[in-house]
Amino acid sequence: NAGVTQTPKFQVLKTGQSMTLQCAQDMNHNSMYWYRQDPGMGLRLIYYSASEGTTDKGEVPNGYNVSRLNKREFSLRLESAAPSQTSVYFCASIPDGDGQPQHFGDGTRLSIL
Amino acid sequence: RKEVEQDPGPFNVPEGATVAFNCTYSNSASQSFFWYRQDCRKEPKLLMSVYSSGNEDGRFTAQLNRASQYISLLIRDSKLSDSATYLCVVNEYGNKLVFGAGTILRVKS
Repeated sequence: NAGVTQTPKFQVLKTGQSMTLQCAQDMNHNSMYWYRQDPGMGLRLIYYSASEGTTDKGEVPNGYNVSRLNKREFSLRLESAAPSQTSVYFCASIPDGDGQPQHFGDGTRLSIL
Repeated sequence: RKEVEQDPGPFNVPEGATVAFNCTYSNSASQSFFWYRQDCRKEPKLLMSVYSSGNEDGRFTAQLNRASQYISLLIRDSKLSDSATYLCVVNEYGNKLVFGAGTILRVKS
């Protein structure tokens, strides 16, 4: 049972480069999320998707775009990477229904030089 | 004011000690509450949900006080393996979860 799978696990980019972080879940969840986590701070929501075909901005969406390709996959794209986007990125999904906890992927550690 | 606030710690305790963490939240309409555990910047993992009546899971007890808008986590008989960061998480509405910055626990022999 894979749960939530993120790729890649590590990435180093140069300022201005672009890349896409991939996330897939095999639990048939409708809601999916992208967070970033920086030292001394909690997880901050970048974007989320309540269902296939819908996406909404979270707390820190600037510099990112997302795509909910289908029910399983939710990708995060950095069009022009900046050093301030160096962070650990987590994808999560949540079952339908009230009071459900999130399931997280292993994270992507991204460094931008 | 942050939406979810936690004492960052660290809490340094000896093995066998009892330790308690508190967390306050600002949105009185918040629906559900959780404690997650996170090890060394790995992914957060659900420790337990928090119910109005309070709930216990082995050495861990969670309580919710809606009137004062705080959540607590009590760990009894601390183990070395309990060393981690504990995240307080609040579901404000419609599966919008807000995370506290975490409380660091270090259990020492």
